[in-house]
Amino acid sequence: DVKVTQSSRYLVKRTGEKVFLECVQDMDHENMFWYRQDPGLGLRLIYFSYDVKMKEKGDIPEGYSVSREKKERFSLILESASTNQTSMYLCASSLHVRGSRDTQYFGPGTRLTVL
Amino acid sequence: GQQVMQIPQYQHVQEGEDFTTYCNSSTTLSNIQWYKQRPGGHPVFLIQLVKSGEVKKQKRLTFQFGEAKKNSSLHITATQTTDVGTYFCAGDYNQGGKLIFGQGTELSVKP
Repeated sequence: DVKVTQSSRYLVKRTGEKVFLECVQDMDHENMFWYRQDPGLGLRLIYFSYDVKMKEKGDIPEGYSVSREKKERFSLILESASTNQTSMYLCASSLHVRGSRDTQYFGPGTRLTVL
Repeated sequence: GQQVMQIPQYQHVQEGEDFTTYCNSSTTLSNIQWYKQRPGGHPVFLIQLVKSGEVKKQKRLTFQFGEAKKNSSLHITATQTTDVGTYFCAGDYNQGGKLIFGQGTELSVKP
């Protein structure tokens, strides 16, 4: 069974703080993703990575950065947290089957509140 | 750019009634996937549709992929309280594993 874990289920931070969200997968997947989930907006892609040290911007990268130093770990960084970054953050991974047809496996999510 | 629209946003049904959610893509898809997120949980993969006109069934759930590979639907027959959750479609445009998720349909079932 694929397991994707996230460092915290709940996190409360103050405006201006630097925030690190960690994600680890144990199935040697090539691809990893960070989404944020807000009511009525579905899952919006922030960043994804298809290999170590490789990253691509998703649909809403502003205010975020990522790091992938090891294949199993993908970190999302909020350089200076703001209240509009209060959200549920979901990490996912996929194998990267050639010719697409990847399915994604999600972590439990981190609910971040920025005060 | 690619966009996947999903309707309705919410659906409230009486237990035993049917439920359908629809997804529409602005451009042709390589494949479409469906995920379910239980309340308080995370999205879990349900099924993938690849071929034009494909229909797949999982017990009371029927998934369809349109002939033009631009739309899809999920139909649940005789809903049960265990069907409660948010159903997402996700479009694959053959972009190295990246998926475009619809907004989701939140289903509530009244016993």
